[in-house]
Amino acid sequence: DIVMTQSPDSLSLSLGERATINCKSSRSVLYGSNNKKYLAWYQQRPGQPPKLLIYWASTRESGVPDRFSGSGSDTDFTLTIDSLQAEDVAVYYCQQYHSTPWTFGQGTKLEIK
Amino acid sequence: QITLKESGPTLVKPTQTLTLTCTFSGFSLTTSGVGVGWIRQPPGKALEWLAFIYWNDDRRYMTSLRSRLTITKDTSKNQVVLTLTNMDPVDTATYYCAHSVGGLTLIDNGFDYWGQGTLVTVSS
Repeated sequence: DIVMTQSPDSLSLSLGERATINCKSSRSVLYGSNNKKYLAWYQQRPGQPPKLLIYWASTRESGVPDRFSGSGSDTDFTLTIDSLQAEDVAVYYCQQYHSTPWTFGQGTKLEIK
Repeated sequence: QITLKESGPTLVKPTQTLTLTCTFSGFSLTTSGVGVGWIRQPPGKALEWLAFIYWNDDRRYMTSLRSRLTITKDTSKNQVVLTLTNMDPVDTATYYCAHSVGGLTLIDNGFDYWGQGTLVTVSS
């Protein structure tokens, strides 16, 4: 199974600051046939289901603010949230969907100071 | 507009079988590339993918729970059913169903629509 490891486990920042969340996969999630990285990011606000933010490591889902961006190599990925807003308080998860069993990271909790 | 809703028991006893139904609208599981997955989340813990069914009836399961899981679809009712046998207190979790679209692979862009989830508690 591909193991997904996120860092840090939690993050406390001020409004307007930039948040950086990392995710590392134990194996490459690059799909050779289309050169896409099969890595997604989700936001889960308290009491809510997860919401897809980013897929293919860097493609924003429709309707997601451009403050959210994703980047990374075949195994190391980053979710960046610019200009933090109060509504960004949530737990963020990465997920690989390159090969089953699809696996999630342990989550990163983002709080506002 | 795509919506999904999970239903089933809120409380099950240890050793019983859990049956959950995902009823959806806004898409069809007869459409090429469409899939539905089940994901669970124990209280205060991370998400865990369980099972997936594709429009062509291709099915995938979480490795460690494969012997206990079954996923099926009823396209006439727009439903996907998950069964998990031999329930244990560690299976206490919120269970979500979610929509996906694939083409080149089973899932091309993650799980893009989720139900609100249903909390299942396992206790005698």
